[in-house]
Amino acid sequence: EVQLVESGGGLVKPGGSLRLSCVASGFTFRTFTMNWVRQAPGKGLEWVSSISSGSSYIYYADSVKGRFTISRDNAKNSLYLQVNILRAEDTAVYYCARDFGGSGALDYWGQGTLVTVSP
Amino acid sequence: DIQMTQSPSTLSASVGDRVTITCRASQSIDSWLAWYQHKPGTAPNLLIYRASSLQSGVPSRFSGGGSATEFTLTISSLQPDDFATYYCQQYNSYPWTFGQGTKVEIK
Repeated sequence: EVQLVESGGGLVKPGGSLRLSCVASGFTFRTFTMNWVRQAPGKGLEWVSSISSGSSYIYYADSVKGRFTISRDNAKNSLYLQVNILRAEDTAVYYCARDFGGSGALDYWGQGTLVTVSP
Repeated sequence: DIQMTQSPSTLSASVGDRVTITCRASQSIDSWLAWYQHKPGTAPNLLIYRASSLQSGVPSRFSGGGSATEFTLTISSLQPDDFATYYCQQYNSYPWTFGQGTKVEIK
């Protein structure tokens, strides 16, 4: 069974940092492109970042470019998102999601981890 | 960036109704479109990929259509479990973008 389990969220002050993690199981993690997608309270889904299977290709939404860094450790079946210089508008549930066959459709998602940015 | 616009934003319907949600792209995305169902407190669920391909395990009452800039998600006979928010997503080019969502409510 495919499972994605996020962790690392929490309450942080504006300007602060967090490292989000996503541990994968039930599939060959090293062969899949992975993504982070977020949902702010009362808002829709927003794609944040993608990383290819071997970390050669990395993409970011403009809203996080220069502040967030995606990475992965295939030996540990883990995906990460380092989130820096946090703003109130980064408050959201952050989901990791698997890319379906390298196409861009996201076929498995975790339950999400909540990041709250507040003084 | 490619903008995705869904309509309507909210849809009130009854069990057994046929419902259709529309998604328009600001430029052609060929058939690189997915549809998701999302319920509060749960992970989003992929329903349709490549505009019209039904994801494994998804009931056949869901169907997708369209190409280029105009797409539809149809539920042929609405079931109680289908009351949720639905999103389209383009993956023709980065940044991937989602529509704003369509909330399907009980009438």
